[in-house]
Amino acid sequence: GDSVTQMEGPVTLSEEAFLTINCTYTATGYPSLFWYVQYPGEGLQLLLKATKADDKGSNKGFEATYRKETTSFHLEKGSVQVSDSAVYFCALDTGRRALTFGSGTRLQVQP
Amino acid sequence: DGGITQSPKYLFRKEGQNVTLSCEQNLNHDAMYWYRQDPGQGLRLIYYSQIVNDFQKGDIAEGYSVSREKKESFPLTVTSAQKNPTAFYLCASSGTGDQPQHFGDGTRLSIL
Repeated sequence: GDSVTQMEGPVTLSEEAFLTINCTYTATGYPSLFWYVQYPGEGLQLLLKATKADDKGSNKGFEATYRKETTSFHLEKGSVQVSDSAVYFCALDTGRRALTFGSGTRLQVQP
Repeated sequence: DGGITQSPKYLFRKEGQNVTLSCEQNLNHDAMYWYRQDPGQGLRLIYYSQIVNDFQKGDIAEGYSVSREKKESFPLTVTSAQKNPTAFYLCASSGTGDQPQHFGDGTRLSIL
């Protein structure tokens, strides 16, 4: 079946450091890929998405490129801020049912 | 503003009691979903509905029930058969095609 694997957290960085959160997936067909962010006590907010191979999603300084050959969708940001501290979820959608989520990666950014 | 409203934000259940979580959307989305989130884990699908008067079981439907009598509403009932209901429950909706899912702010359910 479909699955998403994310790197385990927490990831602890200093402000202005470079961020990478790895995400790989297994799916039949050609899924759409998403990154969602969850702040404490809140629901999930869409951060970015990519719908086909080699697409790059970007938003608020975050980027991720849909790599079909490596079945990956790694999240990157060049310079993190304290306000980026949250849990980040990678997800895929094959259009058959609902989103399949990874287990989430907690990011802690220290001033 | 369009969005998804979940209520209540916090809910407490007594032993043997059924409780219902509300989810309302004004985004005119056809599809709606219920997920359960446990600490340190991802989201697991409970039920989903792609159209009014129709819904399907997700991966962990046992002990839960839903209805979809209106396009805007998709309430979730946590029954007494659900032996471990303590979790954060998230409702989502989506439109057609490549439209991403939008989420509510969640309901945290605890046992008294």
